[in-house]
Amino acid sequence: EDQVTQSPEALRLQEGESSSLNCSYTVSGLRGLFWYRQDPGKGPEFLFTLYSAGEEKEKERLKATLTKKESFLHITAPKPEDSATYLCAVEAYGQNFVFGPGTRLSVLP
Amino acid sequence: ETGVTQTPRHLVMGMTNKKSLKCEQHLGHNAMYWYKQSAKKPLELMFVYSLEERVENNSVPSRFSPECPNSSHLFLHLHTLQPEDSALYLCASSQDPTRGLSNEKLFFGSGTQLSVL
Repeated sequence: EDQVTQSPEALRLQEGESSSLNCSYTVSGLRGLFWYRQDPGKGPEFLFTLYSAGEEKEKERLKATLTKKESFLHITAPKPEDSATYLCAVEAYGQNFVFGPGTRLSVLP
Repeated sequence: ETGVTQTPRHLVMGMTNKKSLKCEQHLGHNAMYWYKQSAKKPLELMFVYSLEERVENNSVPSRFSPECPNSSHLFLHLHTLQPEDSALYLCASSQDPTRGLSNEKLFFGSGTQLSVL
């Protein structure tokens, strides 16, 4: 059965304090791994798709990386506006997305 | 208006009520989804429609009834719900060019926060 776990469950950072979020997955035939950001009271918003081990994608202060078992979302010098819940999802061939429970990030000024 | 729009944003209903959630997408996508999001739990896929035909129903109780009259509109009809059905219900759309074999990224609405008393 396809499974996605995320750690930590919650993370508090000071503004400017870099860190990483982890997404570990077990899936047969990975087609893609997706990162989403969700603000309170809103639906998830797409950030990145990664397709193969070794691939990296960047957007502003965020960088996502992928290995055969996990993905990291690195946050460099975060700002308070980066506070949100970050969701990871995997898609196997012929299957629908399987989401992780998310990491709730708080960046304090 | 662009993106995925859901109404209402908030809904409080009794266990004997009947209500409907509405979703509309303005992205030209051909697949639409209903997800349930409960506190501290992963998003749970409820229903998938591709080209207006239901592709998957993940063993959702019959008190939830979806309807997809066209590729832009999706409804979730609710009746005799239970308190444990209280959650955020999210609609999403995507371009599904190979009909169930691969999915492009999902675009979500803001959700309907449902409370069942």
